Amino acid sequence: AQTVTQSQPEMSVQEAETVTLSCTYDTSESNYYLFWYKQPPSRQMILVIRQEAYKQQNATENRFSVNFQKAAKSFSLKISDSQLGDTAMYFCAETNFGNEKLTFGTGTRLTIIP
Amino acid sequence: DTAVSQTPKYLVTQMGNDKSIKCEQNLGHDTMYWYKQDSKKFLKIMFSYNNKELIINETVPNRFSPKSPDKAHLNLHINSLELGDSAVYFCASSPQVGRGGLDEQFFGPGTRLTVL
Repeated sequence: AQTVTQSQPEMSVQEAETVTLSCTYDTSESNYYLFWYKQPPSRQMILVIRQEAYKQQNATENRFSVNFQKAAKSFSLKISDSQLGDTAMYFCAETNFGNEKLTFGTGTRLTIIP
Repeated sequence: DTAVSQTPKYLVTQMGNDKSIKCEQNLGHDTMYWYKQDSKKFLKIMFSYNNKELIINETVPNRFSPKSPDKAHLNLHINSLELGDSAVYFCASSPQVGRGGLDEQFFGPGTRLTVL
């Protein structure tokens, strides 16, 4: 069974600093995808970034980047130059190719302090 | 225009009642989903439909019955509501089945259900 673990229930960081959120996963599949979703207080789930397991290069989206360590089954999210609008719950998720079922971690509540 | 919409956004009801949550997407997607987010924020898939056909049915009580009248709509009906059903229910959609991970799932705004 697929499992996704986020070991940091809460984190806080000063505005403009860099923060890294941790995620580990467990899957027996060779072709899978990893995601970070953001859920601000508005409750809307927003895709932040996606990584394809067969790609060695780490995905980046503006201030957001990942550190994908396939052998360690680790997928951390780095937020650079953090902004107040980054305050949200962040969920790591995984799915196998061809499988529509997203498995989510328990989330990390990130607070950006002005 | 809202891509994935849900009605209502909030629903407060008594134990034992029957209620429905509606979901519509205007993205032209084939695949739709229902997720449940509990009080600890844990998000778990319940059902998935592809072009009106059920493709994922997780371990969900029979009191929950999804219905897809067409591929743009996926409704969730809940019978005999229990206290433990209190949660936020999210609808989502993605372009087509069989491409899990290749396509983004777009989420609706969620429906907060409170059972008293």
